[in-house]
Order: sequence, then C-alpha cells, then structure tokens
Amino acid sequence: DGGITQSPKYLFRKEGQNVTLSCEQNLNHDAMYWYRQDPGQGLRLIYYSQIVNDFQKGDIAEGYSVSREKKESFPLTVTSAQKNPTAFYLCASSTRASGRVDEQFFGPGTRLTVL
Amino acid sequence: QQPVQSPQAVILREGEDAVINCSSSKALYSVHWYRQKHGEAPVFLMILLKGGEQKGHDKISASFNEKKQQSSLYLTASQLSYSGTYFCGTRRPGSGNTGKLIFGQGTTLQVKP
Repeated sequence: DGGITQSPKYLFRKEGQNVTLSCEQNLNHDAMYWYRQDPGQGLRLIYYSQIVNDFQKGDIAEGYSVSREKKESFPLTVTSAQKNPTAFYLCASSTRASGRVDEQFFGPGTRLTVL
Repeated sequence: QQPVQSPQAVILREGEDAVINCSSSKALYSVHWYRQKHGEAPVFLMILLKGGEQKGHDKISASFNEKKQQSSLYLTASQLSYSGTYFCGTRRPGSGNTGKLIFGQGTTLQVKP
C-alpha cells in the first residue's frame, strides 16, 4: 500500500536538544512538505521541496532545517533555536506535474513535546 | 494572507445542513478542502479550480467564486462521521508548480445524534 509514514508518533525532548522527525513516502511524489499545527491556528508551512536536493523555506522556517537527499525521504530537524517547538508536525507529499493541481497526501503526524 | 474561515465552530444534529466559508483577501487560483479528525492526518475532500465551479461527493459539495475570492463547503443531511475540523487551503495565481498551499485556521464541526 502506498502512503506516507512519520515516526515517531510521540516525541519528547529536553530544552536545548535538537531532534529529527522522519517522513517517508512511497507514492513516487516529487513534492514534499512539512507543516506545523497548533490549536486554533490551522496548518503553517515550515519547508517544502519540489525535487531532490532542493528545498525552500515556508512561512515559519526559523529554528528548523531539512534535507532532501532521496525522493522518498524528507526529514525535519527541530533545532534548539526554535523558541516554542511543542506542536503537532505533519508531513505531506504531492505530484508535481506541469499544469496540474494535485491534492496533498498527509502522514499521520508526530506530536513533539518539549519538557 | 491566510484565508479566513467562518464559522469557527458549529454544532449540528444528525440530518441537519451546514455551510463553511473560506475567504481570501488575495486572488485565488484554486481552493482545496480537507477534513481532520482529532489527532489524525487531514484527509482530502476536493479541489476547486475554476471560478463558479461546484464539485461534490455524496452529500458534501463545494463552490468557488473567483470574483469574490471565496469558497463554500456544503454539508447536507450531516452524519456523525462528518464530525471533525475542516480546513481550506488556497493557492494563488503565479504560484507555479510549487503546490504550496496556505491554510485557513479551520472550522470545527460536531454532529450529535
């Protein structure tokens, strides 16, 4: 079955520590996205990547970093520079065919709590 | 720049209808609708591309008024399974093939027996 997997489902970290959230997809999608979700604020875009070895900042990229070394994988690192990292993080992917507008498929999410 | 959804929350009885609105201050190329159950991933409902276009699936349909820069989601004869938070995601003209969406803050829908 094709889909997007995120791990772990729950993650706890101490203040000052970096942590990496995993996102893997086997949908053969070119584009991948990371969103942060806080109560009452909807989904806010952190980073997105349209192709391997290329990525762009979203609206709230400060304190985060990403890499896209493989088409299937788009890990997100939450660094100690992120002031308020406790949130629900969602990864998504979509096709990137010219002239088409396609739906984004979401992973199950990772809930990060900073202690 | 974030689209505004209204209402913020709505409570229905089974079988009642609801309308959720999504308005933007900027021109829109497309509007995407998603539903999210608590603690789960958002699930795609539909995309609207053309002004005035209306799409539907079962008892959930949507319209897109390009001139007014808004979209509405219509839920008729609501079922318990419709409960969740509904998000609209918008794409602006000229955003190219990035697929980048800007999401509204969400509308929480609760359907009671």
